[in-house]
Amino acid sequence: DTAVSQTPKYLVTQMGNDKSIKCEQNLGHDTMYWYKQDSKKFLKIMFSYNNKELIINETVPNRFSPKSPDKAHLNLHINSLELGDSAVYFCASSQDRGPSDTQYFGPGTRLTVL
Amino acid sequence: EDQVTQSPEALRLQEGESSSLNCSYTVSGLRGLFWYRQDPGKGPEFLFTLYSAGEEKEKERLKATLTKKESFLHITAPKPEDSATYLCAVQAGRLISGSRLTFGEGTQLTVNP
Repeated sequence: DTAVSQTPKYLVTQMGNDKSIKCEQNLGHDTMYWYKQDSKKFLKIMFSYNNKELIINETVPNRFSPKSPDKAHLNLHINSLELGDSAVYFCASSQDRGPSDTQYFGPGTRLTVL
Repeated sequence: EDQVTQSPEALRLQEGESSSLNCSYTVSGLRGLFWYRQDPGKGPEFLFTLYSAGEEKEKERLKATLTKKESFLHITAPKPEDSATYLCAVQAGRLISGSRLTFGEGTQLTVNP
């Protein structure tokens, strides 16, 4: 009964490869997000989608492409991986009601680029 | 640009030794201030949302308070299982779907038995 799940948990790959991370939420939320947590544990927003529509697209290299097949899923595809892409990537979701919307996070995907 | 600063970066306490973590923020139009707990190798776990100055919320040994410039997370008589990184985040601006959270860098709390 995991609320926000991500696969894989760990991803080790070579520079130049293309990889994808998948995220699913069973909370019935309308909005999903991708955050990146660097080695200093600093969490920063990358993208957000509301009902499959891109809402936030931060200054992220266009090698990163999110895709939302439906409002319960948000995947992250990364082309031509670089060493600097090594980080932990978190998916989150929220329901847009009330004065602010609480975001619930998945367990994270640790990406290591060699 | 929204800014969140947390202090201290790291805090070591003895079991039962109460203390407070600080989160200072600069935002244009605060909609909510959030506290999360993050254990090693896991995602942030939601603790509290505070909406306006003067508001307080409690959960077990934790109490969060909010002023116009900062929030405090008070930990009363902590136990070793309270050891974690505590993250503060703000949500600002007008209400639109998918609004970002701006996070601080966290306070790593260690409670020794």
